[in-house]
Parts: sequence; structure tokens; C-alpha cells
Amino acid sequence: GAVVSQHPSRVICKSGTSVKIECRSLDFQATTMFWYRQFPKQSLMLMATSNEGSKATYEQGVEKDKFLINHASLTLSTLTVTSAHPEDSSFYICSARDLGTSYGTQYFGPGTRLLVL
Amino acid sequence: GQNIDQPTEMTATEGAIVQINCTYQTSGFNGLFWYQQHAGEAPTFLSYNVLDGLEEKGRFSSFLSRSKGYSYLLLKELQMKDSASYLCAALDSNYQLIWGAGTKLIIKP
Repeated sequence: GAVVSQHPSRVICKSGTSVKIECRSLDFQATTMFWYRQFPKQSLMLMATSNEGSKATYEQGVEKDKFLINHASLTLSTLTVTSAHPEDSSFYICSARDLGTSYGTQYFGPGTRLLVL
Repeated sequence: GQNIDQPTEMTATEGAIVQINCTYQTSGFNGLFWYQQHAGEAPTFLSYNVLDGLEEKGRFSSFLSRSKGYSYLLLKELQMKDSASYLCAALDSNYQLIWGAGTKLIIKP
């Protein structure tokens, strides 16, 4: 199956710093990638849809200036959490849509656990 | 509005069979996905249905009825490692995934 990698897997940072998370599709090209956030014991929440070569589409309530998304190539999207605060601590998961499968199945990266002190 | 309903939690016994139901209401429909998510991990793809009927894949099967807006995931010969959350997601007319909140499946020996 399609493989999506995510780096780093875990990050601890001080409040006010910025954190960059990378999402890569390893064996397929992904024109569309998705960024999710999941708090403990809660369901996935879509933050934004990242399209290669164009601006990301953010879900309602997600601050685009705080969560910067760049999708510069067909295999890489990055999410930068700017000026992180403790309330941003969460599990961030990316997924990539593989158009080679039926209707573009989304494959997930392993996730990044962010802890802001 | 768009909505996905699935039970919050289910309990089953090792070796038994369990059926997790999902009903959906979406603007258009382009298929139904099931994902498995173990605690602390990202979801992994299990199945995709777009036509009515049952798709079997080893111990797991997924069923779809488009006219009823209904799907289920059937797990046979349950193993302890099947303890996880199972997420139902429907693909709408814009090819956006609408996610259910997930069903936490607890397997008891």
C-alpha cells in the first residue's frame, strides 16, 4: 500500500516558538494532502486541505496565520505551528490522497505528537 | 447538513464476531471508507465501498447500502489486537471525506 511519512514523530518546545512538521508521500504523488489534529480521546478534526502549487484551504475556526501550510511539491507538504502555545499541544496527523486508487484513498502518516511547555 | 453516525463504543469477546454500523447523510456520495486507529497511532485504511453489497477482505468485511445510507464493518474471529477505534468516513460530491467520531471496540478474553 501507499506509504506516507511524517517528521518529527514527537516534539517538545517552549511556548512562543515555531514548529515545522513535514509530510511526505513516499511511493506516490499526492496533489492533495490533508492536515488533521486529534486531541486525546476525541475524533479526528480536519484543519486544512493542502493542494500542490496553490494556497491551502482552511476549515472554519482554524487560523491560517498560525498554522502555515506549504505544499511545494507533489510529495511534500509542511505544517508550521507559529508561536506555539500549550493549547496547541495535540496529535497532528497528515494524510495524502492517492489518485491511483479508487477515488483517491487517503493514506495517513504516523502522526506528530506536539507538546508545548 | 452532512452527518455520520456510528456507536461510540462496543465490547466483544475474543474469537467472536462483531458488526459496527454506520449511517451517513452527505451532499452527494462517492463511496464509504473504514479506517482502523489504535490508541496513540494514526488511522490505517481498511476498506472502500462504492457499490452496494459486501466486500470481504480476510477477517474483515464491509457492506454498503446506498439506498439506506448505511454501511457496516464486520470483524470475524476477533483477536485482542483488534481492540481499536474504527472510523467510518463518507466521500461527498466534492470528494471530501466526512468523518464519523469513531467506534471504540474493546475485546475481552
